[in-house]
Amino acid sequence: QKEVEQDPGPLSVPEGAIVSLNCTYSNSAFQYFMWYRQYSRKGPELLMYTYSSGNKEDGRFTAQVDKSSKYISLFIRDSQPSDSATYLCAMSDSSSNTGKLIFGQGTTLQVKP
Amino acid sequence: NAGVMQNPRHLVRRRGQEARLRCSPMKGHSHVYWYRQLPEEGLKFMVYLQKENIIDESGMPKERFSAEFPKEGPSILRIQQVVRGDSAAYFCASSQGLGNQPQHFGDGTRLSIL
Repeated sequence: QKEVEQDPGPLSVPEGAIVSLNCTYSNSAFQYFMWYRQYSRKGPELLMYTYSSGNKEDGRFTAQVDKSSKYISLFIRDSQPSDSATYLCAMSDSSSNTGKLIFGQGTTLQVKP
Repeated sequence: NAGVMQNPRHLVRRRGQEARLRCSPMKGHSHVYWYRQLPEEGLKFMVYLQKENIIDESGMPKERFSAEFPKEGPSILRIQQVVRGDSAAYFCASSQGLGNQPQHFGDGTRLSIL
């Protein structure tokens, strides 16, 4: 079993839809949770960074962490064609103090005009 | 552009040659990480370095791969005697402080082995 599971998709939605992206994980020591966006042939771009459980909102993006269920989510409101990309969840174990990130496989999102 | 800079963006090598990938971290960042992305797979951690020190190399293959981050100049990921299976995108990230600070990525080096 992978430490971090993420449905690769692809996920196709119409413009303006609310998008829900999710990851599950198995290591209860993970404390830091991140979402990255990666366009084709480019590097991952940090979207959201959260510590422990709870919600965090930034513009059209909301990140949720449920540590009891080992489940994290990213919601995108009013999705735009420019949101079409691969979304990667990542997490790290605070006890290791090395910052080594464990990534999900990534979900490919297509927002159709 | 004050972001993480990687070069070259594309590198082609024949089997048995050496590949050198360079990474300059963001200004003010002294922590560097290397990840590898194989086709259809997620990013896999390789190594974490601070200036002149390797902190965690648990993701590095035992042979042919090495990394350094000298006092002056960029971090270097070196692959000796490359094989076809080394073909991948190699990404460098940097952070400002201790391990759990947010990591910011460069656009990667795409290595192709003929």
